[in-house]
Amino acid sequence: DGGITQSPKYLFRKEGQNVTLSCEQNLNHDAMYWYRQDPGQGLRLIYYSQIVNDFQKGDIAEGYSVSREKKESFPLTVTSAQKNPTAFYLCASESPGNTIYFGEGSWLTVV
Amino acid sequence: GNSVTQMEGPVTLSEEAFLTINCTYTATGYPSLFWYVQYPGEGLQLLLKATKADDKGSNKGFEATYRKETTSFHLEKGSVQVSDSAVYFCAPLLAYNQGGKLIFGQGTELSVKP
Repeated sequence: DGGITQSPKYLFRKEGQNVTLSCEQNLNHDAMYWYRQDPGQGLRLIYYSQIVNDFQKGDIAEGYSVSREKKESFPLTVTSAQKNPTAFYLCASESPGNTIYFGEGSWLTVV
Repeated sequence: GNSVTQMEGPVTLSEEAFLTINCTYTATGYPSLFWYVQYPGEGLQLLLKATKADDKGSNKGFEATYRKETTSFHLEKGSVQVSDSAVYFCAPLLAYNQGGKLIFGQGTELSVKP
């Protein structure tokens, strides 16, 4: 089946640790995105990538890093510099017809 | 700046009632417009879209019309079901030369009672 796969679904991070959230798509989409959602809030853009080996900061990039070495993969690292990382993280990709599709999301909790 | 305003929730309706969720936006140019639905603990699912003025998007009984003159994209459904209970997001997609990203409001929670 085609789609966007995020893993893990649930992740716990200790203070001072870096963690990486995986996002894989087999839709052959060029553009991919990472959003953060806090409870009862809308989504805020962290990073986006329009093409392999290129990415841009979104509205809340501080404390996060990404890479785009392969078209199908866009992992997000939450670094220790991110002071309030507990949130729901959503990966998305964009079709050639400019429709954005989302994965199922990953819950990150600081313990 | 670019922004989206949705009616505040929660919106509580009885089954088979008529639904309207208002959405207005401020965005540069003429963005494509989307409605997404989010069920508890899940990601966002595309509900419908419209790409130009006066287009009507529709899916699963939901409809929304792109109104350029009022920069609005209100969501409607004639008869809601309990299974429609979710959070609904209106989201303009900025053109590539304007940043090429979706803009989200806070979402509107819908609760449908039997």
